[in-house]
Parts: sequence; C-alpha cells; structure tokens
Amino acid sequence: DAGITQSPRHKVTETGTPVTLRCHQTENHRYMYWYRQDPGHGLRLIHYSYGVKDTDKGEVSDGYSVSRSKTEDFLLTLESATSSQTSVYFCAIERDRSDGYTFGSGTRLTVV
Amino acid sequence: SQQGEEDPQALSIQEGENATMNCSYKTSINNLQWYRQNSGRGLVHLILIRSNEREKHSGRLRVTLDTSKKSSSLLITASRAADTASYFCATAVNTGTASKLTFGTGTRLQVTL
Repeated sequence: DAGITQSPRHKVTETGTPVTLRCHQTENHRYMYWYRQDPGHGLRLIHYSYGVKDTDKGEVSDGYSVSRSKTEDFLLTLESATSSQTSVYFCAIERDRSDGYTFGSGTRLTVV
Repeated sequence: SQQGEEDPQALSIQEGENATMNCSYKTSINNLQWYRQNSGRGLVHLILIRSNEREKHSGRLRVTLDTSKKSSSLLITASRAADTASYFCATAVNTGTASKLTFGTGTRLQVTL
C-alpha cells in the first residue's frame, strides 16, 4: 500500500536465531502496529507504538520486542525464533481515527 | 482472544447476488471496522461505523451496528467476481495511548460467474 512498506517480504530462518522485520512509512504518522496472522486466529496484535521511543505490548507480545528510534521506522525483533513464530506479519499505520488502519503487504516468516 | 467473530466462515454466491456477513463481539467498543483481504495481500479498510451510529453506506457496502446485541453486519450488494476475498470485522477500543483493533477470524467470500 502507498506510504507503508515491509521488508523483507519473505524470510526463512532457523530456530534460535534472532530476526528483525522492518516497517517503514513515508507519511509521518504517530501510530504504528505489528500484527501476526495465523489460520484460525485472525490477526493478533503483537506490539504498537504511539510515538518515537513510545511502545507498548499487545496480546501476543511474548518472544517479541520492538523499537522505534525515528517516526518512519518500526522494527519488530524475534529475539530467538521458534517454530510457533512461523506466521505472516503485518505492519499497519493509523492515519486518522476515522479512517481505520492502512496495512503493509506483509512478511511471510518461516522458522525451521 | 478474538473480540469479533464472523459468521458464516465461508460464503459462496453467484455474481449479482447480495452477500451478508455478520460479526459479534463481546465488550464495549468505540467503533467497528470492516476490512477485505485478497489472497496473499494485506488488509484493506472498507468502512468504519462509530458506536453511536446504527447504519452506514459506502458504494455497494452497507454496514449496520447494534450495540445492544453487540453485533454488526456487512452487506455487499450486486456482488462481482472481484469481491472474492476474505472479510474481517475489527472492533476498536481507544486506550490512553492508541486505538487498538481486535480482529475476528474472517468470512471467506467466493463470487462465481
């Protein structure tokens, strides 16, 4: 989607390795979110940010950390990847409370 | 845990027919939103209805919200093959720091020619 990009698009990693996913926005929005999508679970919130260096946990934050050192980038780190973290990860920005979220195209992560 | 639960899980209709999807949720909300997801893609925001609204329209979409029953419905009129996708409802709760969305598990809509 215009204004928000995720990288990488696909990644295969080994159990126990750290992995960092990047979300980049070009529109200077304050609120950014990380979700994971798994069959049968819909999307679940991992972490979110409400400003530079301001982050908080979502419902499935265990095993994940985030950082936001500048407005445009929101990084999601799997500290030691496990097979249960195999998923599709989506980043989203919130342009306006009346407009909903704008999602990135996702990162498909496979932990082997 | 899911806040919103969609019904049905899957729906198959012919082009030109109407499609209705339902969503139920459990707690008080600030607004409810519907999203579409095409296979392998990110979610696209369709429509937002506030807790003090009962009905909203956008093109071929009609959304209703009944806060007393904690339920919402999405109607797509005159469906097209391009409407084939998964549809998710999401409930928004505004906290002191953000507007957090909780998603249901989705309805898979198949529109055939």
